[in-house]
Amino acid sequence: GQNIDQPTEMTATEGAIVQINCTYQTSGFNGLFWYQQHAGEAPTFLSYNVLDGLEEKGRFSSFLSRSKGYSYLLLKELQMKDSASYLCAVMDSNYQLIWGAGTKLIIKP
Amino acid sequence: EADIYQTPRYLVIGTGKKITLECSQTMGHDKMYWYQQDPGMELHLIHYSYGVNSTEKGDLSSESTVSRIRTEHFPLTLESARPSHTSQYLCASSEDRTGSSSGANVLTFGAGSRLTVL
Repeated sequence: GQNIDQPTEMTATEGAIVQINCTYQTSGFNGLFWYQQHAGEAPTFLSYNVLDGLEEKGRFSSFLSRSKGYSYLLLKELQMKDSASYLCAVMDSNYQLIWGAGTKLIIKP
Repeated sequence: EADIYQTPRYLVIGTGKKITLECSQTMGHDKMYWYQQDPGMELHLIHYSYGVNSTEKGDLSSESTVSRIRTEHFPLTLESARPSHTSQYLCASSEDRTGSSSGANVLTFGAGSRLTVL
């Protein structure tokens, strides 16, 4: 079967750095996505990786290793507004998205 | 500002009622989706559409139906609601970039419809 694994919950301190991991086993691979979802709101797109390596976008970076079936989302200079769930999703060989359950990130002052 | 709109945002109804959740997008996207999301759980694809007059069932059809008569409109109907249908329903759309090297099929989500069936 296909599955995406990511930690259920993480806690970090304002101003610090946090890394949210995602491992996947899917039928084929056509890209990996990270979405941010604040409580009670819709998910919003953060990043897309299809080739190995690091993609940087401001305070957020996303890394992909296709050979290891692994990705991480790195958040720097954490702010209270970064408290949210972070969803990892992989597009399989049929171009269907397989979603992880999300990682709830709690930021403490 | 939202480019994809869902109504109602919140709905509480009794068992056996027929309901339609509305979804409209103004971006001209060909692909549209309905997802179901429970707290702390992954998104489950209920239905999707590649364009007008195209509808497909996802992994979790949840006894619902959809229609796609116009590009911008993708309503979801539950003929007879049950308590097990209580959930958050998210509508999304994307450009069709399948097989394209020019970028990802990034989803834009609506704000969601939270349904409670008593």
